[in-house]
Amino acid sequence: DSGVTQTPKHLITATGQRVTLRCSPRSGDLSVYWYQQSLDQGLQFLIQYYNGEERAKGNILERFSAQQFPDLHSELNLSSLELGDSALYFCASSAQWSTEAFFGQGTRLTVV
Amino acid sequence: KNQVEQSPQSLIILEGKNCTLQCNYTVSPFSNLRWYKQDTGRGPVSLTIMTFSENTKSNGRYTATLDADTKQSSLHITASQLSDSASYICVVSDRKSGGSYIPTFGRGTSLIVHP
Repeated sequence: DSGVTQTPKHLITATGQRVTLRCSPRSGDLSVYWYQQSLDQGLQFLIQYYNGEERAKGNILERFSAQQFPDLHSELNLSSLELGDSALYFCASSAQWSTEAFFGQGTRLTVV
Repeated sequence: KNQVEQSPQSLIILEGKNCTLQCNYTVSPFSNLRWYKQDTGRGPVSLTIMTFSENTKSNGRYTATLDADTKQSSLHITASQLSDSASYICVVSDRKSGGSYIPTFGRGTSLIVHP
């Protein structure tokens, strides 16, 4: 158990809908990262937050947004969902920007 | 554009044998390189992390090497076990101004260990 909790574990929704994925980082970790893993793409870095502020942005679509709350948990919002958004979404946390990131077990999103 | 290329894409070996996975990168400015192990459907778990000044690091039966001049890394697994069957992902981070680290992920090497 990495100490990073993601909910829900599985999510099935229809195209055009909006969903929210939640991540609770390890106790004391200030950095939260979001990743997308599709079958044919490998892990893609989406966005990083540090202590509530956006620190780095990767290949995140405009339909996607994220935020980190004062209690350090984070949410990833996916809107206007398309079939191609079906993937595993991982959250990771780390204590500082340069140290090891610990991954959660992921949320499997299926868009039908 | 930052890129991380891993080879081979997949590998099948017999239990007890050794193997070496490769990672070539074009990431600048280089900050650190990590190898992760990912079991199917689970989150990646870090094996090793190396900065510019480190050229080898071990974690049990896993040994990673880094050649910063040629921008190559390898992960050597000795005396493989069935539980080593997983995807091994090379991740190279650069450092942006303000202290942010942007990771670039390789597509992974899928390792299958047969009894």
